[in-house]
Amino acid sequence: AQKVTQAQTEISVVEKEDVTLDCVYETRDTTYYLFWYKQPPSGELVFLIRRNSFDEQNEISGRYSWNFQKSTSSFNFTITASQVVDSAVYFCALSWGPGGGADGLTFGKGTHLIIQP
Amino acid sequence: EAQVTQNPRYLITVTGKKLTVTCSQNMNHEYMSWYRQDPGLGLRQIYYSMNVEVTDKGDVPEGYKVSRKEKRNFPLILESPSPNQTSLYFCASSLQLAGFDEQFFGPGTRLTVL
Repeated sequence: AQKVTQAQTEISVVEKEDVTLDCVYETRDTTYYLFWYKQPPSGELVFLIRRNSFDEQNEISGRYSWNFQKSTSSFNFTITASQVVDSAVYFCALSWGPGGGADGLTFGKGTHLIIQP
Repeated sequence: EAQVTQNPRYLITVTGKKLTVTCSQNMNHEYMSWYRQDPGLGLRQIYYSMNVEVTDKGDVPEGYKVSRKEKRNFPLILESPSPNQTSLYFCASSLQLAGFDEQFFGPGTRLTVL
């Protein structure tokens, strides 16, 4: 069975601090995909990144960076120099390739990030 | 503009009164699905569809029905809503199976069942 664990329910930091959101996953599949979504207070889900299991390169996009480590089954998300607009709930999610079926994403329970001015 | 639309966005209803939440996408996507989001539980999949006339249960299908008569539409039907179906519902679509492509989410439907 697949599982995604986001152990941090809520994180509160002061603006300009760096913050890392943890994501640990479980799957028996060798081909799988990891995602991060942002849900701002307005409620919509905003896609941030997708990573497949064969690509362990870290990725940086502006102030956002992702660290994928298969050895520890983790896909952590770091925001550098956080801003108030980063305040949101962030979801990590997992999906797998055709060998495991056609189900959708398995989401973690989310981390509520609060950036204080 | 490529998008997934849901209607209504907000709905308050009473126990037992049948309702339908519509979902439509204009991207010619094959794969569509429904999720519900509850506090502390994240998002859980209700039903999904790989193509027209092909639907299957997700993790929490009890109390819900879906249909996929046209590629663009994937309505969620609650035949006899109950208070435990009070939730935020998201429809999503992707070109292919969920893992290969980014899933595009609708804006959400906040349902309250009294």
